[in-house]
Amino acid sequence: DIQMTQSPSTLSASVGDRVTITCRASQSISRWLAWYQQKPGKAPDLLIYEASTLESGVPSRFSGSGSGTEFTLTISSLQPDDFATYYCQQYNNIRGFGQGTKVEIK
Amino acid sequence: EVQLLESGGGLVQSGGSLRLSCAASGFTFSDYVMSWIRQAPGKGLEWVSSIRHTGGVTYYADSVKGRFTISRDNVKHTLNLQMSSLRAEDTGIYYCAKDGDSGTWKSSWYFDLWGRGTLVTVSS
Repeated sequence: DIQMTQSPSTLSASVGDRVTITCRASQSISRWLAWYQQKPGKAPDLLIYEASTLESGVPSRFSGSGSGTEFTLTISSLQPDDFATYYCQQYNNIRGFGQGTKVEIK
Repeated sequence: EVQLLESGGGLVQSGGSLRLSCAASGFTFSDYVMSWIRQAPGKGLEWVSSIRHTGGVTYYADSVKGRFTISRDNVKHTLNLQMSSLRAEDTGIYYCAKDGDSGTWKSSWYFDLWGRGTLVTVSS
């Protein structure tokens, strides 16, 4: 099985900050990686797929990069609506999620 | 409206059974692989099971293999999850999700549509 490891587990930041979350795969997954945002009590929302393709309707302050085993999600200027938990998901071999990164208010 | 609506959750004793359903609307259901993902209270997301377009091929996480059965009805546009031999660690919200791509050349895709989830509580 492919293991997905996100870092950090928790991130404290302020509005306007540039935020970067890392996701590492235990083996190469090419670019078969997606990112989701989840708010408390809600289902996850797709942000990015194929490592860097922005889902329709997602603000351009979100971006993704990487290939192989290392990926990043960047929020260029954190907005109040962005405080949430973020998950990466590989879909190279079956599917699997990272453990999540909670972005909280500093 | 494009949506998924889960039902069937509830409280069940350890060792018991439960059947979840997910009603799909607003898209061509038979064109997409469908999946169940769960989330234990306060924990992360765990992929549970997926089923390909015609229902002939299914996939399961090791944690549920042999206990859960996924199925679909492409006429009624419904996805099901039959859960048996339930354990306390099966407790959580169960989400139904649609693949983001209908391409059959690849067996797994990302999820672009999620339901609101249904809560399963297994008491020990």
